[in-house]
Amino acid sequence: GDSVTQMEGPVTLSEEAFLTINCTYTATGYPSLFWYVQYPGEGLQLLLKATKADDKGSNKGFEATYRKETTSFHLEKGSVQVSDSAVYFCALTAQGGSEKLVFGKGTKLTVNP
Amino acid sequence: DTGVSQDPRHKITKRGQNVTFRCDPISEHNRLYWYRQTLGQGPEFLTYFQNEAQLEKSRLLSDRFSAERPKGSFSTLEIQRTEQGDSAMYLCASRAEGNEQFFGPGTRLTVL
Repeated sequence: GDSVTQMEGPVTLSEEAFLTINCTYTATGYPSLFWYVQYPGEGLQLLLKATKADDKGSNKGFEATYRKETTSFHLEKGSVQVSDSAVYFCALTAQGGSEKLVFGKGTKLTVNP
Repeated sequence: DTGVSQDPRHKITKRGQNVTFRCDPISEHNRLYWYRQTLGQGPEFLTYFQNEAQLEKSRLLSDRFSAERPKGSFSTLEIQRTEQGDSAMYLCASRAEGNEQFFGPGTRLTVL
């Protein structure tokens, strides 16, 4: 079945450091890919998405590119802030059907001042 | 607030009791999803409604679980004869066709 694998956390960075969180997926066809973020004490929020190969999703300084050839959707940010501390989830929806989300296990990011 | 709401936010119950959770989606969203999230894991899909029809159920949804969306608006998730393994965060999400899913704050269930 469809699945998502994220890099294990937790990740601890200093403010202004570069962030990469790796995400690879297994799915048939052309899934849509997402990054969701869960800030402490809050619900899941969509951070960015890409719906076809080579698309780049971006939001709040975060970017991820849909790479069909490597089945990857790595999350990057050039300069993290303390306010980026959260749990990040990579997810996919398969083509057609209910479009239920299949999530990775999540990566906890802590940014220190 | 026009987001997805869930009630209650927290529920503590004893093993063997029945519990019911409610989800109110964003008003124009005809699709509604339930997920379960355990500590240190990503959310796992439980079931999906399009309007009032329950169109997909995960094998995670045992016979003790039942979900309804009687008028295509709010939804309820009932767990009968709760077990300690049911302790988790239960998340509801809704979406309109062509758009992404919006999540509620979740109901945290603790089974003692």
